[in-house]
This record gives sequence, C-alpha cells and structure tokens, in this order.
Amino acid sequence: SSELTQDPAVSVALGQTVRITCQGDSLRSYYASWYQQKPGQAPVLVIYGKNNRPSGIPDRFSGSSSGNTASLTITGAQAEDEADYYCNSRDSSGNHHVVFGGGTKLTVL
Amino acid sequence: EVQLVESGGGLVQPGGSLRLSCAASGFTFSSYWMHWVRQAPGKGLVWVSRINSDGSSTSYADSVKGRFTISRDNAKNTLYLQMNSLRAEDTAVYYCARGEVGAYYFDYWGQGTLVTVSS
Repeated sequence: SSELTQDPAVSVALGQTVRITCQGDSLRSYYASWYQQKPGQAPVLVIYGKNNRPSGIPDRFSGSSSGNTASLTITGAQAEDEADYYCNSRDSSGNHHVVFGGGTKLTVL
Repeated sequence: EVQLVESGGGLVQPGGSLRLSCAASGFTFSSYWMHWVRQAPGKGLVWVSRINSDGSSTSYADSVKGRFTISRDNAKNTLYLQMNSLRAEDTAVYYCARGEVGAYYFDYWGQGTLVTVSS
C-alpha cells in the first residue's frame, strides 16, 4: 500500500507563515486532504480537494500540490493553530483504501 | 447540525470480540459513505474500513481484513464495526467519520470510543 510522509514537528513564530508538507506516490494521482487535531479532540477537516476549505475554517489555511508533494500553508499563524496536522489521500494501489501521513506537530512560538 | 456519536468501546481480552456503533443525525445518512478510523494512544490516525451508501460495497485495511466487519443500517441511521479476534495492537480510539460518495476525505468525525485489548 501507499505511504504518506510528514515531518514529525514544525514550529512557527506567532503571525508568521508556515508550510507543512506531505509526500507520497499517491499524491501524483489524488489530492491530499488535511486535518487539524488538538489534544483530546477529534480531527477537524481543514483542506480538501484542490484547495477547498470547509465552512468555518479561516482563510489563513490553504493547500497546494506539486508532483508527489502536498502542502498545507498557514499564513499568519495564530496561537490556536498549535495542533497536530495530518494529511490523507486515496491509496494509489487500486484497492480503494485510504492512507494517512504520520502527522506533524505544529508549535506556535 | 451533523452529529456522529460512537459507542460500544471498552476493555476486552485478546481474542475477544466487540461491536462498535455510530449513531448519525443531522444529515441524510443513506447518501454518504462512512468510515472507521483509529488512533492508538499517542500515535497517528489510521484508516480502518469504509462502506458505501447502501452497504453493498466495503473495504478494509490489511491489518483488520478478515477480523473486522463494517455494516450499516440506514433505517436506524447507524454504522457498525464488528471486531473479532482482537489483538493488543487493536487498542485505540475508534472514530467514525463521514465521507462524500466517491471521495476519500472525511468532513465530519465523531468524538471517538476507546477500545482496550488487554488481559
């Protein structure tokens, strides 16, 4: 099955811009989606498709993709953005499975 | 308001069985794919299983195939996960999540139910 690789940890100064990346072969064929998870809470979808935000997600969150790499960008990071972020996509092996990245812990300094 | 409420978690011995339920409300349940995703303590998210809108098609992660069975009752707006031959490595919070038909992202998640497999 496919794998998605994320950096384990990333930090950003308050108000600055941060990019969280996700790499994998499946991303050459399928869009990544991104989820934010805070301690003790369920994940929340923040980006899906080419670059779509669900209702209620601030426009400082955006997504992009190039080749086998998808990125989640937070422009003007806020203290409340400190969380774990996970990417996912369809598995590219043809079995209709879903694959998640290992997650990135974002620290806002 | 979309709500997904899981139940049925608990402590079970290795080799035992458990059935999880996910009660859905606030949307037309029969129009969506549904998924189970799990998260072991301190670890990342792992997809477990998917069922299509009418229950005629299912898919499983290799790690649970042959042991877990996903099903749904659209008349009761409820999703299920029957878990048999449980192993210690199945210990996790299990989330149900909603997916658009044909899509592989999850727009709503339940709060999760903890399954602990231990003797």
